[in-house]
Amino acid sequence: DQQVKQNSPSLSVQEGRISILNCDYTNSMFDYFLWYKKYPAEGPTFLISISSIKDKNEDGRFTVFLNKSAKHLSLHIVPSQPGDSAVYFCAAGAGSYQLTFGKGTKLSVIP
Amino acid sequence: ETGVTQSPTHLIKTRGQQVTLRCSSQSGHNTVSWYQQALGQGPQFIFQYYREEENGRGNFPPRFSGLQFPNYSSELNVNALELDDSALYLCASSGRTGSSYNSPLHFGNGTRLTVT
Repeated sequence: DQQVKQNSPSLSVQEGRISILNCDYTNSMFDYFLWYKKYPAEGPTFLISISSIKDKNEDGRFTVFLNKSAKHLSLHIVPSQPGDSAVYFCAAGAGSYQLTFGKGTKLSVIP
Repeated sequence: ETGVTQSPTHLIKTRGQQVTLRCSSQSGHNTVSWYQQALGQGPQFIFQYYREEENGRGNFPPRFSGLQFPNYSSELNVNALELDDSALYLCASSGRTGSSYNSPLHFGNGTRLTVT
């Protein structure tokens, strides 16, 4: 039973355009959410997070939106750059230890 | 500030054998977690250690065990290896008890374990 779902295994976007990565969750107890980026042969790198009491958090080119009623969050990257090409994982936490990850979305930014 | 380091990078073992993976936490971090990432999947939580004691465990059998040392380095031990144990094993540290939205986990580059 997947509590965090990333339904798009891959996404291709032109350089300079917006990338939108989506994530759905089922567990209402999750109280914070994070996005991690992973390059091949490297560990996941923290990108941005959001508390469940917020609906938006912005950090430079990256913005995360949270819709609690729909149990949905999205990561917007504007403008997309070739260096953004990686696998993006959505993760959720309830309390202070276990993170639950989605399966990831592979983003390809085409120059 | 040094990041999370894991050793070895790659490892090949035979079914039934035992394996020990090692991790050095990021400087100043006192909590370490281990995750298993199978091919095509997201990382799955194995367990977490804080102050040398296990304080959270995912859905993994007892043959997965761990240790945290006073210097906050850590080991993951897997006994009686099975073919399905083949995966990338990730160690992560954080600067407080576990993870939160303002104290996220910092991951190492992982150990790729292949069981034949």
